[in-house]
Amino acid sequence: SQTIHQWPATLVQPVGSPLSLECTVEGTSNPNLYWYRQAAGRGLQLLFYSVGIGQISSEVPQNLSASRPQDRQFILSSKKLLLSDSGFYLCAWRASGGTWEQYFGPGTRLTVT
Amino acid sequence: GQQVMQIPQYQHVQEGEDFTTYCNSSTTLSNIQWYKQRPGGHPVFLIQLVKSGEVKKQKRLTFQFGEAKKNSSLHITATQTTDVGTYFCAGRNRAQKLVFGQGTRLTINP
Repeated sequence: SQTIHQWPATLVQPVGSPLSLECTVEGTSNPNLYWYRQAAGRGLQLLFYSVGIGQISSEVPQNLSASRPQDRQFILSSKKLLLSDSGFYLCAWRASGGTWEQYFGPGTRLTVT
Repeated sequence: GQQVMQIPQYQHVQEGEDFTTYCNSSTTLSNIQWYKQRPGGHPVFLIQLVKSGEVKKQKRLTFQFGEAKKNSSLHITATQTTDVGTYFCAGRNRAQKLVFGQGTRLTINP
């Protein structure tokens, strides 16, 4: 069966520090991968999605970037964090060419201080 | 761009009461999905509706997709404390993107 992992689970970082969040998927090949951000008590904002290795689409302009160095690995990065980057970051996958349901990882709670 | 609106934003009910959340899209959807997010957790896929006028049931949950494929609803009969959480709809549009609603947060008084 397929599983999705995210780490770390929680992170407290000072303003101006770099960020690297990692997401890996097991049990499937060539998944579509997604990064979402959820502010406290709010909906899901799509940040990036990827249909394959090295293919990244950005949905909103920001100081974040994403990379997909391997088929089942998706990384969210920032060179310098802002206070507004605080939130709950969720990685999700769906089967390429299949049905459209997405499966979410456990998320990373980021607090920028 | 396309918007998917959900109402209400919040709903508080007594245990045993029914609950309904509504989802409306500004454009026709190819399909619609529903997710549940427990407090402190991540969204979990519940169901997908594809056909115009489709109705699906999962135990006490009833999902409907409108005839025009622009709206949907989730109805929970006789809520239980385990139903607490935020319910999101997500619509797939013709640009092949999934657009999430803002969610309805359900709290229940036992």
